[in-house]
Amino acid sequence: GESVGLHLPTLSVQEGDNSIINCAYSNSASDYFIWYKQESGKGPQFIIDIRSNMDKRQGQRVTVLLNKTVKHLSLQIAATQPGDSAVYFCAENHNDYKLSFGAGTTVTVRA
Amino acid sequence: DSGVTQTPKHLITATGQRVTLRCSPRSGDLSVYWYQQSLDQGLQFLIQYYNGEERAKGNILERFSAQQFPDLHSELNLSSLELGDSALYFCASSPQGGLAKNIQYFGAGTRLSVL
Repeated sequence: GESVGLHLPTLSVQEGDNSIINCAYSNSASDYFIWYKQESGKGPQFIIDIRSNMDKRQGQRVTVLLNKTVKHLSLQIAATQPGDSAVYFCAENHNDYKLSFGAGTTVTVRA
Repeated sequence: DSGVTQTPKHLITATGQRVTLRCSPRSGDLSVYWYQQSLDQGLQFLIQYYNGEERAKGNILERFSAQQFPDLHSELNLSSLELGDSALYFCASSPQGGLAKNIQYFGAGTRLSVL
């Protein structure tokens, strides 16, 4: 089965607020994680990645946090915009060629 | 635009038929990955090619096969199609094919409908 999962399948957020999307993984050997955004009718789009030797990484309006102790990953989106409405996937790699994807969280931004 | 091109965008066919999906990776990328996305299974890894050679296999059915050509484009062949094969098929590419951690860039996908 999947080794990566998301806590909530849907998230509704007010425009301008911060969003937090969570992901739990079960494989303690996982050492590389990626967040993807998938808009309707499009393929997954890379947002940000993090390696297991880090606990935080920041991008433009996004921050990924990694807690290896509890095997938890989160994506924070600052000042959420309508264009952030999409399905967000966390994906994990552990000395393998493939990415293992979680089920996805659908984020809806309310105006 | 990720730089990964997939054709066709949509494909409608009947059970028992065979189809070919095509992928052109980003310029310079040697690895191509194929994934299947269905409503109940999420994104599932099918197979990876690196510089023309099969590198890894995932949950790919025996009715499915793939190859990567010298110009690095790849084709995914689906045969004896069943209703359950209806899904989105994505191709992704990355510069490397080994165990190095690198980002996979996805194409827009091919939506296959088997009627």
